[in-house]
Formats: sequence, structure tokens, C-alpha cells
Amino acid sequence: TQLLEQSPQFLSIQEGENLTVYCNSSSVFSSLQWYRQEPGEGPVLLVTVVTGGEVKKLKRLTFQFGDARKDSSLHITAAQPGDTGLYLCAGARGNQFYFGTGTSLTVIP
Amino acid sequence: DTAVSQTPKYLVTQMGNDKSIKCEQNLGHDTMYWYKQDSKKFLKIMFSYNNKELIINETVPNRFSPKSPDKAHLNLHINSLELGDSAVYFCASSHGTSLYEQFFGPGTRLTVL
Repeated sequence: TQLLEQSPQFLSIQEGENLTVYCNSSSVFSSLQWYRQEPGEGPVLLVTVVTGGEVKKLKRLTFQFGDARKDSSLHITAAQPGDTGLYLCAGARGNQFYFGTGTSLTVIP
Repeated sequence: DTAVSQTPKYLVTQMGNDKSIKCEQNLGHDTMYWYKQDSKKFLKIMFSYNNKELIINETVPNRFSPKSPDKAHLNLHINSLELGDSAVYFCASSHGTSLYEQFFGPGTRLTVL
């Protein structure tokens, strides 16, 4: 059992569609980060959310931290092929990050 | 300039061998990490060092031994390699812990035959 469960595990959509990825836990985190990882590379940070209920936008990406700081969501509007990759959430507890199970997104042109 | 670099990129070796993976960061960060990513892409922390001191040591077999000669380097030595050690190993660094962005290296794909 992983501390952070992501859903869906795999997602294949057409260019232009919208999608939401969820990151859920029964534990409380002091902060939560979202990373994107492309094949053959390390994860790259997209955003950090700290306050319960916080919403951050990064162009077509919208991130939300749950009110209780136990979950988060990533919404992508009008997905593009360049959005293809593995999306990872990571929750901070103490001095350690716990990564989620990952969501592999494929955007078909 | 590469922020976090790892060598080698690929490592293929026989069971029972001993191998090392090197990591260097030129960002001036004081915290460095080793992660293991398995075939299902799950990323799990193995070790964390802050100012050359071990601060996180997850339940990793003692065949794995990290070494931090200075703040910019965190190497991973693995003794008596086993088939289950096959994975991608990532080094990362950050300015601190918890709230700070982690910068990841490109990964080392280890294959044990």
C-alpha cells in the first residue's frame, strides 16, 4: 500500500481534450508538489502547493490542494502532445517527500 | 552546465558484482537524495543527506551504502548485486527539505543479469 495513490494510472486522450489527475491519501501533508517526467529523464517540478484549498495555475494546468491537505488534483485544459509524460505527485511529511504511484499521460495528435 | 549529473547512464552487470553510481550537483544545495524507480515507475526514496550527514535511511538492504565526500557529491555503492536491484536510480538535490524543489539527475539504468 502506497501513501499517495494517483488515478488514473494510465490516460490516453486526443489533443484538445481536458483531463484531471487525482492524488489521494489518508495522511496529511505539509506541502505537495507535482512533477512531470519524460522518458529517459528525471522528474521536473511543476508546482508546489502549501495551503489547504490553494489553487495554482500554470498556463493550461490548474493545481488544487485539498482543504484537509490530504489530496490534490491536476487539471489540464486543451491537452497538447507536449503534455505527454508521467505525472507524479509528492507529499511532504517531516523532512521527507513521498511520491505518488504516477499517472502516465499520452496525448494523441 | 548540467545541474545534477550522474554516471554512468547505463550499467549492465552480473549478479554478485559490486558497482558504484556517482552523483554531483553544482547548484550549491545542501541536501542530496537517492531514489529508486521500479518497472512500474514508482519512485521511492532510499537515502537523504544534509550537509554530508545522513538524515533519511529508508528500509534499504545494507548492501547499499551511500557516501558523501562533500556537499556536492553523493555516491551510491552497491555490494553483491541481485536481480531485484534492476531499476533506474535517480540522484536529486534541494536547497532544503520539504518545501523546496528537488532537482533530479538524468538517472542511471541498472540491469543485473
